[in-house]
Amino acid sequence: DGGITQSPKYLFRKEGQNVTLSCEQNLNHDAMYWYRQDPGQGLRLIYYSQIVNDFQKGDIAEGYSVSREKKESFPLTVTSAQKNPTAFYLCASRTTVPTDIQYFGAGTRLSVL
Amino acid sequence: SQQGEEDPQALSIQEGENATMNCSYKTSINNLQWYRQNSGRGLVHLILIRSNEREKHSGRLRVTLDTSKKSSSLLITASRAADTASYFCATRDFGNEKLTFGTGTRLTIIP
Repeated sequence: DGGITQSPKYLFRKEGQNVTLSCEQNLNHDAMYWYRQDPGQGLRLIYYSQIVNDFQKGDIAEGYSVSREKKESFPLTVTSAQKNPTAFYLCASRTTVPTDIQYFGAGTRLSVL
Repeated sequence: SQQGEEDPQALSIQEGENATMNCSYKTSINNLQWYRQNSGRGLVHLILIRSNEREKHSGRLRVTLDTSKKSSSLLITASRAADTASYFCATRDFGNEKLTFGTGTRLTIIP
């Protein structure tokens, strides 16, 4: 899983609650990404950030929010507006040059109580 | 949106046999990548092939790319039990910072 740490490994959300998933990298990568994976499915992009203090919506951003205050950190908040949050969440990072390879964390499995 | 579609969805073979999985996509791409995911874990990058390349090798892996057919294949030779995993293709379009992942092929190697 390289130098990307996701925590916690398992997370439970109560109705109406916001929860925050942590993603930290020590690879000195500029770009970071959040993906959602549902059972038997591929990855869908939630948000991504190419530099500090800047981020863009991915394909399924509704009900999620992010911040990028430090190069090393890209936390994802799953808000109460996300009505179906149960999924496996993956954080990734990559350098912008010269490679185009994404390095992934071990994931956080979020369930609803 | 999902661009890559892997085929087959699931594949079971005997240890030592070769495994081939395919990926089709829809747009003009800068590169195509293959990743492996062990159950419940993050993805691991395997190999990247650029749009101007037709074939690439890495150890027991061989990737081909046919941009005219918008398709790629991943061949794993002399399979091992440790190759049991899901395999995903991912494409990056020109001028786009995002990777678009396919739905994956679940490979099971029978000892």
